[in-house]
Amino acid sequence: DAGVTQSPTHLIKTRGQQVTLRCSPKSGHDTVSWYQQALGQGPQFIFQYYEEEERQRGNFPDRFSGHQFPNYSSELNVNALLLGDSALYLCASSLGQAPYEQYFGPGTRLTVT
Amino acid sequence: QKEVEQDPGPLSVPEGAIVSLNCTYSNSAFQYFMWYRQYSRKGPELLMYTYSSGNKEDGRFTAQVDKSSKYISLFIRDSQPSDSATYLCAIEGVDSNYQLIWGAGTKLIIKP
Repeated sequence: DAGVTQSPTHLIKTRGQQVTLRCSPKSGHDTVSWYQQALGQGPQFIFQYYEEEERQRGNFPDRFSGHQFPNYSSELNVNALLLGDSALYLCASSLGQAPYEQYFGPGTRLTVT
Repeated sequence: QKEVEQDPGPLSVPEGAIVSLNCTYSNSAFQYFMWYRQYSRKGPELLMYTYSSGNKEDGRFTAQVDKSSKYISLFIRDSQPSDSATYLCAIEGVDSNYQLIWGAGTKLIIKP
């Protein structure tokens, strides 16, 4: 049973560029949440997708957007990258919207130069 | 004041010791309390979660919640070098719209 997978593993972008990160949820899960984790910090909630709609959003600007596909996989898009966007981006999946049963992927390490 | 406070460590203990990891939180309305383990360059892994106050045990791990003090703990018995990781607490409730509020994590080092 495949767990949560994310791609790519690492990414280097230049300030001002746009990036797309991808996530496939654990088999049987229908909800995907995205988090940003800066070095030495806990994850910060970006948003959650359920039934192909953004259901909840954290305190992140509109430069951060996402999408969920009919197969429950998801994308996170970040436009106009800033140096401060450098972080580990984590995807978590769950059945329904219960946050205490979330399973995390290995993350995508984004470096903005 | 952060909603969840956690000492970043590092906490270094000898193999076999009992480890105590702790978090404090500010909002008494939080209901669910989670502990995650995160190895370097990996995603967090859910260890345990508890609802409301009390203790919960799973193998060598015990989670404890004291809502009156707004204090949560994770105890690890018979610690092993493989337990070396960063341990993050996370809480949630109606005031967070049932989304996780995380501590910054405590780095734990178990010395062989």
